Amino acid sequence: KAGVTQTPRYLIKTRGQQVTLSCSPISGHRSVSWYQQTPGQGLQFLFEYFSETQRNKGNFPGRFSGRQFSNSRSEMNVSTLELGDSALYLCASRGGPEAFFGQGTRLTVV
Amino acid sequence: GQQVMQIPQYQHVQEGEDFTTYCNSSTTLSNIQWYKQRPGGHPVFLIQLVKSGEVKKQKRLTFQFGEAKKNSSLHITATQTTDVGTYFCAGPKTGGSYIPTFGRGTSLIVHP
Repeated sequence: KAGVTQTPRYLIKTRGQQVTLSCSPISGHRSVSWYQQTPGQGLQFLFEYFSETQRNKGNFPGRFSGRQFSNSRSEMNVSTLELGDSALYLCASRGGPEAFFGQGTRLTVV
Repeated sequence: GQQVMQIPQYQHVQEGEDFTTYCNSSTTLSNIQWYKQRPGGHPVFLIQLVKSGEVKKQKRLTFQFGEAKKNSSLHITATQTTDVGTYFCAGPKTGGSYIPTFGRGTSLIVHP
């Protein structure tokens, strides 16, 4: 069974640009969650999508958005990038309580 | 909202010593999960505890859920260099959601 796949693995962007990250969950999993991980803040929950609907949302500004497609693949978009958005962005898929994480996308904003 | 606090933030041990990390919640948890993240890796699910006072073991790892379901601990006996990583506890967000809210983790450094 294939795991959670995130693309790209690494990204370098300039302040003010926007970025889109992709996550393909484990086959059969309908829930996809996104987390931001930084050394100072740990794992912070961004949002969760289930069957193409945002079901839960964390405390992040509106610059952070996402969507989910009918095949459960999810994308996360960050607009008007700031230096503080540099982080590891992790996607997790769930078929039950256990979260299966992808390898993450390392975003660096310069 | 519900917060999960974890201590210590870092722990250095000599190989062979024991290690414990503690997790405390401001609210009662329906369950608690533990994850391990190796350096450069991603979090990997270790276990879920659901019952009050529950104790579960995985080889050298012992997980406990407090009687009041507000705290939990992970104890590693006789650490090995393969135990290096960050251990996170996670409780569900309020409102009955399954979404785990993570503590900041305890980074374990094992010196050979």
